[in-house]
Amino acid sequence: AQKITQTQPGMFVQEKEAVTLDCTYDTSDQSYGLFWYKQPSSGEMIFLIYQGSYDEQNATEGRYSLNFQKARKSANLVISASQLGDSAMYFCAMREGSFGNEKLTFGTGTRLTIIP
Amino acid sequence: DVKVTQSSRYLVKRTGEKVFLECVQDMDHENMFWYRQDPGLGLRLIYFSYDVKMKEKGDIPEGYSVSREKKERFSLILESASTNQTSMYLCASSSPGRRVDGYTFGSGTRLTVV
Repeated sequence: AQKITQTQPGMFVQEKEAVTLDCTYDTSDQSYGLFWYKQPSSGEMIFLIYQGSYDEQNATEGRYSLNFQKARKSANLVISASQLGDSAMYFCAMREGSFGNEKLTFGTGTRLTIIP
Repeated sequence: DVKVTQSSRYLVKRTGEKVFLECVQDMDHENMFWYRQDPGLGLRLIYFSYDVKMKEKGDIPEGYSVSREKKERFSLILESASTNQTSMYLCASSSPGRRVDGYTFGSGTRLTVV
């Protein structure tokens, strides 16, 4: 069974609009972490934002925010005021495991294209 | 500011060859990981290591092995390369306790097996 599900293979969004990228996860751990990464065409993985399972506030980093709904096991990424440079692959990931023996599991990704 | 270095950006190998993909990190991280990335499948974990000479299987270890003789170096080995191992390979490292942004990725090796 998929641990991380991203249901949007591709999205097209008009420049300056807000965009929400969906991510749901599945875990029985009480302590876990959720990440979003951006991968431009150059291939590098760029860390965007992190949410810990015990964090009560939704994480925000500049134009990025994470809409964390723990009961629904949902961790959607919201990008406000999209820019052309936001065009990239976006991956949701979850960290599980005990201290020192953790691993990161990724979803299948969403390709975001910003239209001028 | 180089942190995780993968020895080759592009690699072309023949079926049946033994292939070594090298990854070196300079951040003194305990954990290191090898992923492969394929379109529509995302990143899938092949192997990871949380200490020197330690290794753990990930989700798709078949056809691969790893070696970690030194803390900074984690090698992925394809014992007998096959065409279905053509893929992008990404190495990453992390430090336990760095909860927020502790995973650092290399720039990837695009391997083609012909």
